[in-house]
Amino acid sequence: ETGVTQSPTHLIKTRGQQVTLRCSSQSGHNTVSWYQQALGQGPQFIFQYYREEENGRGNFPPRFSGLQFPNYSSELNVNALELDDSALYLCASSSGQMNSYEQYFGPGTRLTVT
Amino acid sequence: AQKVTQAQTEISVVEKEDVTLDCVYETRDTTYYLFWYKQPPSGELVFLIRRNSFDEQNEISGRYSWNFQKSTSSFNFTITASQVVDSAVYFCALSRYNQGGKLIFGQGTELSVKP
Repeated sequence: ETGVTQSPTHLIKTRGQQVTLRCSSQSGHNTVSWYQQALGQGPQFIFQYYREEENGRGNFPPRFSGLQFPNYSSELNVNALELDDSALYLCASSSGQMNSYEQYFGPGTRLTVT
Repeated sequence: AQKVTQAQTEISVVEKEDVTLDCVYETRDTTYYLFWYKQPPSGELVFLIRRNSFDEQNEISGRYSWNFQKSTSSFNFTITASQVVDSAVYFCALSRYNQGGKLIFGQGTELSVKP
């Protein structure tokens, strides 16, 4: 186990609703990255937070937003849910900024949008 | 643009067979990092290896070995004497030198090892 935890494990939401996913990073890590993994696909980078600031963003619309807290845990918020948002959401923690190459992934949150 | 291609969607082998998972990448950068991750059914991505673009030496770790060839932009992964516990989805990934936190993943190869 990596020490990265995510909650909830599973979630079912209705189209148009909003959702918040949570991630606790591994002890000593100050960077959290979020990925979306659609069924049968590889993970896609959403964004990264370093010391409470967004530090890089992938090709996702603004309705995907995040936060990082002083204890380096993080939230991913998705507004106006769409059916295509159904996926496994993974967070990864690491030490350092973008030059941190070893990321430790959590078990993910499975989001289903109906 | 960066891209990773894993052409093999699914591979099925019998226990104790050797198996090679292919990974081809595209990047215009001269400095970059390559990774392999394993994703068991539980969903958590498990880090296997990181290789930087300066180091083309092959690496062996137990039954696992990796063959990095810059000339063909490939970073292949071989499991020797496969075991049922090796059954998982394996992902190859690429990151730019100064963007280690942003991994670009391939589509993954699902490996099934049958007893």
